[in-house]
Amino acid sequence: AQSVTQLDSQVPVFEEAPVELRCNYSSSVSVYLFWYVQYPNQGLQLLLKYLSGSTLVESINGFEAEFNKSQTSFHLRKPSVHISDTAEYFCAVSVSSADKLIFGTGTRLQVFP
Amino acid sequence: EPEVTQTPSHQVTQMGQEVILRCVPISNHLYFYWYRQILGQKVEFLVSFYNNEISEKSEIFDDQFSVERPDGSNFTLKIRSTKLEDSAMYFCASRADTAYEQYFGPGTRLTVT
Repeated sequence: AQSVTQLDSQVPVFEEAPVELRCNYSSSVSVYLFWYVQYPNQGLQLLLKYLSGSTLVESINGFEAEFNKSQTSFHLRKPSVHISDTAEYFCAVSVSSADKLIFGTGTRLQVFP
Repeated sequence: EPEVTQTPSHQVTQMGQEVILRCVPISNHLYFYWYRQILGQKVEFLVSFYNNEISEKSEIFDDQFSVERPDGSNFTLKIRSTKLEDSAMYFCASRADTAYEQYFGPGTRLTVT
């Protein structure tokens, strides 16, 4: 069975500082990896995805994530955060042969001025 | 930009009552899902639906739950006799045939009293 671990439940950071949100997964088969963001009182929005190819994927708002197969990780990074990045971030995996998403417990990113 | 919509945004019901949560997936999507998030916990898969039948369901999705696509646009989740522990945010998601990413609606908060 697959599982996702997000070790940090909360990450406080000051505006313009870099941030890394950690995600590790466990699976005996190939997986597809996703980061979703949930702004206050809103639904889940897809932030970025890794399906295949280049291990570094980027979003339009400056986030990036790197797939590391040997470490079974898909950490999310941003070199300089904004107040508006304050949200809950969820890492998720799906297995090639089945497509349900398995989510981590989420990391609350709080950006302070 | 097309989006998944859900109604109602908040539903309060008494234990033992039936509830129907409604979703309108993105129009050209063929795969549909329900997930739930109990307050403070991770997002959990409930059921996936394709070609008018359930593709996969989780252990949570017992006989009290059912899904239906009554027409060409709606996708519903029915809970026959609600329990206190059904209180959660319920998310609908949909996926295109040629993609792996799922798009989520804003959720319905179900409160069972």
